[in-house]
Amino acid sequence: QQPVQSPQAVILREGEDAVINCSSSKALYSVHWYRQKHGEAPVFLMILLKGGEQKGHEKISASFNEKKQQSSLYLTASQLSYSGTYFCGTPLREGAWYNYGQNFVFGPGTRLSVLP
Amino acid sequence: EAQVTQNPRYLITVTGKKLTVTCSQNMNHEYMSWYRQDPGLGLRQIYYSMNVEVTDKGDVPEGYKVSRKEKRNFPLILESPSPNQTSLYFCASSLTGVNSNQPQHFGDGTRLSIL
Repeated sequence: QQPVQSPQAVILREGEDAVINCSSSKALYSVHWYRQKHGEAPVFLMILLKGGEQKGHEKISASFNEKKQQSSLYLTASQLSYSGTYFCGTPLREGAWYNYGQNFVFGPGTRLSVLP
Repeated sequence: EAQVTQNPRYLITVTGKKLTVTCSQNMNHEYMSWYRQDPGLGLRQIYYSMNVEVTDKGDVPEGYKVSRKEKRNFPLILESPSPNQTSLYFCASSLTGVNSNQPQHFGDGTRLSIL
């Protein structure tokens, strides 16, 4: 049930671009992206809803194709501050009964290292 | 300041000695959840709660208990800890449930070592 992320790790130079992919064998109802720096808590980046939408956050944007059950996170002109582990996550159910069915699952993460 | 507060941040204990990790949020969030993080496995959900006195199992609930007696607090209880529960634990909260597409706000984490 856990989404799959690729690549597992990527090393960039400052200013380079990167793409992180998230896919699932089951339906994705929405895709949530978080970044976690070493020794810190995960921090929310964005949520992608159904409809193939693309959202942006600074120079970080993402797309979501629910038919293909995949999402991609795009980091352009990467900065040193972008280093960290990126996680995608998704609720397991859609429109569930209010108090229940609110399970959430994260992918294993993609470690991004940006070098000077 | 809006935040999720976990205590303790670090704990070393021995097998079988009951422990509680506290979690409190000051944002009046309805949804609270516990995750454990292990290398290569990402964050795995242990339990979540959508309301006072309402809790439900996540992916890895075995060996854990939770309670939600007040909206702001969601403690994680290990009745008889074992070494395989050594991990980094995060508490998170969200205004409404994850199905309503609200982001989760995470506490700073509790690093738990069970010898």
